[in-house]
Amino acid sequence: KAGVTQTPRYLIKTRGQQVTLSCSPISGHRSVSWYQQTPGQGLQFLFEYFSETQRNKGNFPGRFSGRQFSNSRSEMNVSTLELGDSALYLCASSQDRASGNTIYFGEGSWLTVV
Amino acid sequence: DQQVKQNSPSLSVQEGRISILNCDYTNSMFDYFLWYKKYPAEGPTFLISISSIKDKNEDGRFTVFLNKSAKHLSLHIVPSQPGDSAVYFCAASRMPSHALNFGKGTSLLVTP
Repeated sequence: KAGVTQTPRYLIKTRGQQVTLSCSPISGHRSVSWYQQTPGQGLQFLFEYFSETQRNKGNFPGRFSGRQFSNSRSEMNVSTLELGDSALYLCASSQDRASGNTIYFGEGSWLTVV
Repeated sequence: DQQVKQNSPSLSVQEGRISILNCDYTNSMFDYFLWYKKYPAEGPTFLISISSIKDKNEDGRFTVFLNKSAKHLSLHIVPSQPGDSAVYFCAASRMPSHALNFGKGTSLLVTP
């Protein structure tokens, strides 16, 4: 079965712009979470959605937002981009906790802010 | 603050020998631990996990050990193969969230 799919894979944006990244979870998975990876900070949790509700949020400014749709697909948005937002953004999906907690990651979206 | 720590940034092991990657955590509420392997510019690949109710879990060449009293876990790879060369991340979560707290990673190099 298909894995976690993220689009776009690579993108370049200018400071001040906004960006939307998309994630399609593994079929049947209802939990989607987002992470940011940078050389300095490593992998950091952004937020988690389950059944269209944000269940947890990491320590990121309000410029970072997300949502989940009824088909479990998710998007994250970063507004007023800063140079420091350049990073690999990873989406992960998993089933409900009662069904096991293996969390699978997509290939990521590389964002470069210039 | 970093709640999951991988204190060895790198490790070099000969092919066929055992690789032992270590991870420490500070939050006693963590109840699920996972190991991921990652290549540059790719997403992490799930390797093995362990629940806090267990102290060992095996899957093929990979074994994870959990010492709750020491808040320490380790990943053993036996035998190590050149294809195992990658960065390994330890991650922890706390029920009911699926939010993962990651360590900074350990770069494993397996030499022929």
